[in-house]
Amino acid sequence: ILNVEQSPQSLHVQEGDSTNFTCSFPSSNFYALHWYRWETAKSPEALFVMTLNGDEKKKGRISATLNTKEGYSYLYIKGSQPEDSATYLCAPISGSARQLTFGSGTQLTVLP
Amino acid sequence: SQTIHQWPATLVQPVGSPLSLECTVEGTSNPNLYWYRQAAGRGLQLLFYSVGIGQISSEVPQNLSASRPQDRQFILSSKKLLLSDSGFYLCAWSVTSYYEQYFGPGTRLTVT
Repeated sequence: ILNVEQSPQSLHVQEGDSTNFTCSFPSSNFYALHWYRWETAKSPEALFVMTLNGDEKKKGRISATLNTKEGYSYLYIKGSQPEDSATYLCAPISGSARQLTFGSGTQLTVLP
Repeated sequence: SQTIHQWPATLVQPVGSPLSLECTVEGTSNPNLYWYRQAAGRGLQLLFYSVGIGQISSEVPQNLSASRPQDRQFILSSKKLLLSDSGFYLCAWSVTSYYEQYFGPGTRLTVT
């Protein structure tokens, strides 16, 4: 089982603020990293799948970067909106594990 | 398009009673199937995954079991529930273990 750490655990921001959070994972034998958004009373929804060092993905106001050599990924939200309130989960896959290992998530609350 | 169904949505069961949760996927063939659990205050934990009919891999030893009697059906069972089995159970599918996963609506299980 991979050691996956996400920080911060929770975050409160004002509407319009930009924010970012971190996912740390073992850099050895890296294969891919997934980001999911989990809104209350809904199911987790895939945001990005990242595989290459230096990868940068974007979906609307949300973007993510990946550094496989040092074992971290950042998720950025520009101009946060109340509907961005959710728990953001990262899940790396190693070449040997072949399955996702989820971090405990960053719970984001955007205050209007 | 693909859809994933889970039932029941909520379940309250006494300690020592059996359990059967069902998950079915429509609109795809030979998917990878997964059972996850989120216990109170914890992250998503992979319980079982299956890459084909009758093929089950267990990630965490416990009193739960899984079966895949048909290509798009995944069942989570227990003969005797423990208090520690309480949690939110999610079924998911993916094309392969490296692709993004699509989650069902989940089952909230409370063992009393």
